[in-house]
Amino acid sequence: AQKVTQAQTEISVVEKEDVTLDCVYETRDTTYYLFWYKQPPSGELVFLIRRNSFDEQNEISGRYSWNFQKSTSSFNFTITASQVVDSAVYFCALSPTTGNQFYFGTGTSLTVIP
Amino acid sequence: ETGVTQSPTHLIKTRGQQVTLRCSSQSGHNTVSWYQQALGQGPQFIFQYYREEENGRGNFPPRFSGLQFPNYSSELNVNALELDDSALYLCASSSRDFMYQETQYFGPGTRLLVL
Repeated sequence: AQKVTQAQTEISVVEKEDVTLDCVYETRDTTYYLFWYKQPPSGELVFLIRRNSFDEQNEISGRYSWNFQKSTSSFNFTITASQVVDSAVYFCALSPTTGNQFYFGTGTSLTVIP
Repeated sequence: ETGVTQSPTHLIKTRGQQVTLRCSSQSGHNTVSWYQQALGQGPQFIFQYYREEENGRGNFPPRFSGLQFPNYSSELNVNALELDDSALYLCASSSRDFMYQETQYFGPGTRLLVL
């Protein structure tokens, strides 16, 4: 069975604070992908990152960084020096590499207060 | 922008009616997946089309059906609409070979309201 859990339903931070969004997943597949998407109020899911299960290197892209730990089945997302434009719902997703569907968590709504 | 387009953007229907939603995939992509996103929830997989055939289906009844055309665009059809069908319907475009799929890029969605 595949499952993605985002325990944080809503988070509010003041602008310039750092914030970490948690993602825990369950899968029996040996190879899989993990993703983060951003959904602004307009509704479109914006792709942020894909991580292969073989690659546990952390990644940094500007103010965004991702921490993948296979031992704890977690793929956490940190925004450094948050900005108002970061306000959105963020989804973590899991996909077997040979599968067809993506399994999404329930999302974390982030509000950055100016 | 992903290059994935969906139409219409909004739609209001009444219970029992039928609806068709459309999606144009990104250039170079051969696969389209459809998701239903209820308010406050994550997207739920409806089905995927690869090379004009259904390639997997989520837990949705047969009144949800689809098509993929030779240009890889796709339609989602829902018959006998129910109130619970009110949701944001997202189309995702990707490329895959027979075994492996790649990142899915999403369109802006169609908001369906069933009264």
